[in-house]
Amino acid sequence: AQTVTQSQPEMSVQEAETVTLSCTYDTSESDYYLFWYKQPPSRQMILVIRQEAYKQQNATENRFSVNFQKAAKSFSLKISDSQLGDAAMYFCAFRSYNTDKLIFGTGTRLQVFP
Amino acid sequence: DAGVIQSPRHEVTEMGQEVTLRCKPISGHDYLFWYRQTMMRGLELLIYFNNNVPIDDSGMPEDRFSAKMPNASFSTLKIQPSEPRDSAVYFCASSFLRTGEENTEAFFGQGTRLTVV
Repeated sequence: AQTVTQSQPEMSVQEAETVTLSCTYDTSESDYYLFWYKQPPSRQMILVIRQEAYKQQNATENRFSVNFQKAAKSFSLKISDSQLGDAAMYFCAFRSYNTDKLIFGTGTRLQVFP
Repeated sequence: DAGVIQSPRHEVTEMGQEVTLRCKPISGHDYLFWYRQTMMRGLELLIYFNNNVPIDDSGMPEDRFSAKMPNASFSTLKIQPSEPRDSAVYFCASSFLRTGEENTEAFFGQGTRLTVV
């Protein structure tokens, strides 16, 4: 069975600085999709970035980038130039290519200090 | 499209009562997922459907939980009887059938906060 692990329950960063959120996963599949979702206090789930496992190039979306290490089954999220609006819960997610099952980790709460 | 719609937004019920949570997925989506969010366990997948058929219900915690999808535009998650430990936020999400690199993401409703007293 697939699992997603986020080992950092909470992280904090100063405004304009860079922070990295960790995520590891376990699967026997070779093709799959990985995601980071953001959940602000409004409870809305917002897709931040996605990565296809067959792509070696790390995905980037503006200030958000990932470090995808397939052999290590690691998928970390880097937020550059952090802003107050980045404060939220961040969830790492895995989607199976075979079954389309979508599972999430336990989340990391990010605080941003001015 | 209005997005995934869940009702009610908040539900407070007494232990032992039946609770029904509702979800309307985005029109045309093929998959529907039900999740439970708690501080300790994050987002747990309870069950998911493909074209109204349950594919994997291994995450449903007990027989007290049941889910149905009678048609492509409606799904329910029922808890009978409810217990205080069922208190959580329940999310519904939907997605298209994945086509290569497209349509891989799921779209979420606003969730239902359930409190069982």
